[in-house]
Formats: sequence, C-alpha cells, structure tokens
Amino acid sequence: EVQLVESGGGLVKPGGSLRLSCAASGFTFSSYSMNWVRQAPGKGLEWVSSISSSSSYIYYADSVKGRFTISRDNAKNSLYLQMNSLRAEDTAVYYCARDRIAVAGTRDFDYWGQGTLVTVSS
Amino acid sequence: DIQMTQSPSSLSASVGDRVTITCRASQGISNSLAWYQQKPGKAPKLLLYAASRLESGVPSRFSGSGSGTDYTLTISSLQPEDFATYYCQQYYSTLPTFGQGTKLEIK
Repeated sequence: EVQLVESGGGLVKPGGSLRLSCAASGFTFSSYSMNWVRQAPGKGLEWVSSISSSSSYIYYADSVKGRFTISRDNAKNSLYLQMNSLRAEDTAVYYCARDRIAVAGTRDFDYWGQGTLVTVSS
Repeated sequence: DIQMTQSPSSLSASVGDRVTITCRASQGISNSLAWYQQKPGKAPKLLLYAASRLESGVPSRFSGSGSGTDYTLTISSLQPEDFATYYCQQYYSTLPTFGQGTKLEIK
C-alpha cells in the first residue's frame, strides 16, 4: 500500500525557517517525481514545488522561488522541503504528492499524504 | 503561468441529480487535465486524468470531457458521498496550476 506521511509542521515566526519531511513507503520511491502542494486555510490548492526521480529537474512556484528548497533522499525514501524567510501568506497545510507516472513524470498526482500544518505568525 | 478558471464556484444539488462542472484554461492544454475531489479535513483524491480517463477505483458515474481550453466534469447521478469540493488541474505546463474549486453542496 502506498503511504506518504508528512511531518515537521508547526508554528514559526515571520522570517523564520522550517523543514518539512515526507516519508514514503509501498512503492519504488526512486522511480517517481515528487511534489509539494499547499492549501491555505479555507482556500484552494496551490502547487509549490516538484523534484524529478533523480533530482535532476526541480521546479518552484514563483511565490516560493528563492525561499524554499525541495530535495529528496532516495536511500531513505524521503522528500523534504526547506522553507526559509517564511511569511504569513505561507500559512497552509502542506501535502506531499506523488506523480501518477513513474520515471517520465506528468505532474498530476495520484497519491497524497495527510498533510502537515505550517502556521507563520508572531 | 496557465490560469485555470472553474465554474460555478459553488453548486447546490440533490441526490440523483446530474451535475456538470466546467474548467477553462487560459491557453490550450492538450487534454493534460486532472480532476480531484476533496472532502473537509482530507487530502485531495484523483478522479480523472488526461481529461477523460477514470482513475482506478473511481465510480463510473464520474466522467470527463473536453479539448483545447474547455473541459467538464460530469457526475451522472449524485450520491451522498459525492458532496465535496472539486478541483481541476492542468499539467501541460512545467508549472502545474489548479482551478479555484467548486463546492458541491446538498440542496
């Protein structure tokens, strides 16, 4: 069974940093591109970042470029999101999500974690 | 970025009704469109991809169609468990984008 479990969320002050993790199991993690998608309270979904299976290709939404860094450790079946210079508007539930197709990747998402809440507030 | 516009933003319907949600892209996306269902406090669930292909395990009352810039999600006969928020998402671009969502409520 495919499982994605996020952790690392919490309360942080504006300008602070936080590192999210996503532990994957039940599939060959190293074969899939992975993504972070967020949802502000009461709002819609916003794609944040993608990383290809071998970390060769990395993409960011304009709203987080230069502040967030996505990475992965295929040996540990883990995905990460390092978030720096956090702002109030980064407050959201952050989901990790798997690309539907292995290797090539498509950036539509067939498995999602349960999400971890990040709150940026003084 | 490709902008995705869903309509309506909200919709009231009854069990057994047929409902249609529309998604329009700001440029052609060559059927690179997915639909998701999200219930309160839960992660989104993939319903359809490639505009009209049903994800495994999704009931056949869900269907999708469209081409170019205009796409639709249809639920042929609403069931109680279908009341949720629905999102379209384009993956034609390197930077995927979602529609703003359509909240489907019980009439």
